[in-house]
Amino acid sequence: QVQLQESGPGLVKPSQTLSLTCTVSGGSMSSGGNFWSWIRQHPGKGLEWIGYTYSSGNTYYTPSLKSRVSMSVDTSKNLFSLQLRSVTAADTAIYYCARGDYTNSWSNWFDPWGQGTLVTVSS
Amino acid sequence: QSVLTQPPSVSGAPGQRVTISCSGSSSNIGEGYEVHWYQQVPGRAPKLLIYGSTNRPSGVPDRFSGSKSGTSASLVLTGLQADDEADYYCQSFDSSLTAYVFGSGTKVTVL
Repeated sequence: QVQLQESGPGLVKPSQTLSLTCTVSGGSMSSGGNFWSWIRQHPGKGLEWIGYTYSSGNTYYTPSLKSRVSMSVDTSKNLFSLQLRSVTAADTAIYYCARGDYTNSWSNWFDPWGQGTLVTVSS
Repeated sequence: QSVLTQPPSVSGAPGQRVTISCSGSSSNIGEGYEVHWYQQVPGRAPKLLIYGSTNRPSGVPDRFSGSKSGTSASLVLTGLQADDEADYYCQSFDSSLTAYVFGSGTKVTVL
């Protein structure tokens, strides 16, 4: 079955760029119509969707982060990436990657998820 | 704050039934977007429990069931077990925010 694994630095300095990669195994990102998402969880808090990319490279970001976020995909390596610019302490969170699935445009969910990676923003 | 409101906590004795509500609005659940539920055990990633408001992925026990009506949805856990202790989140899409949204989360405690 499809599995996802996040990787990247666990510590980022304020004002710098957070960069994470999600490697997909057990299936090709290019097969099916799935989309590939990043979701974060501030310590002890709820879940916040960041955005998604399709294997075609089409992306969509949540409006509240749109000015600082970019995502990319490398289908040859079966991975997708997140970049979050100008980070502050408020960006300290566990970052999850997840596959987006759907039955129609009214029903989109996330499954499976990666194990998550904690990114701390601190000098 | 979340646009999908859940009770912070619910509890029940082993074997009992608990219900978790997810209250939305006309720009998300009320507009017709389906609701999905996730279980998050402390220290672990969320796991899909219910999709499309009422459907269980393979491997999820039928003790878990979901429903949707109007601007709200519910997750019901019957025959409560110790390993049901976790945080539960609902998720949908909001057309005003143009973003996928999650509920505030509900902690289930087995007494």
